[in-house]
Amino acid sequence: GDQVEQSPSALSLHEGTDSALRCNFTTTMRSVQWFRQNSRGSLISLFYLASGTKENGRLKSAFDSKERRYSTLHIRDAQLEDSGTYFCAAEANTGYQNFYFGKGTSLTVIP
Amino acid sequence: EAAVTQSPRNKVAVTGGKVTLSCNQTNNHNNMYWYRQDTGHGLRLIHYSYGAGSTEKGDIPDGYKASRPSQENFSLILELATPSQTSVYFCASGDLPVSNERLFFGHGTKLSVL
Repeated sequence: GDQVEQSPSALSLHEGTDSALRCNFTTTMRSVQWFRQNSRGSLISLFYLASGTKENGRLKSAFDSKERRYSTLHIRDAQLEDSGTYFCAAEANTGYQNFYFGKGTSLTVIP
Repeated sequence: EAAVTQSPRNKVAVTGGKVTLSCNQTNNHNNMYWYRQDTGHGLRLIHYSYGAGSTEKGDIPDGYKASRPSQENFSLILELATPSQTSVYFCASGDLPVSNERLFFGHGTKLSVL
């Protein structure tokens, strides 16, 4: 079954508004990484977290440090260039470094 | 910033033909990965490698082989391509957990098997 459940699957935001994406994990994960895939298909790394929170400009990500079973990505003051598909990838506590990907959130920012 | 380069960017193959996808990374990462991306599935791990000479099966290895002849290069091989292998393939490298680095991805290879 799927290790990572990402929500919502699609989202439309008006410019200037805020929202949050979420990934739930079926088991405890070691770390999480968030990506944005642009219109050309390139995967751009946004954050890597082993615990706690990280912030970069209008983006902020958090990884539940206690149970390690969910992560969030907050978008503040959404801009047109934020449009794209966002993926979370969670690293399992297995012997090898394997990241399980969510199915993505397709974000459209509307003027 | 780590550089991961994939070639070709686009490939059209015939059913039953052999396809080789190449990946090169210039940051001396130990670990390299091949994923495929399909609508409704996100990215799924096909094969990975811990270093030169090593290849390991990921979650969906059937129909694929991998080769890691050097630290820099990691190839994905489809000996007998099938239409179900039409997909976008991503190569990635990283050195977790040694250096706390994240995964770095190439730009992807779009493969169509006719």
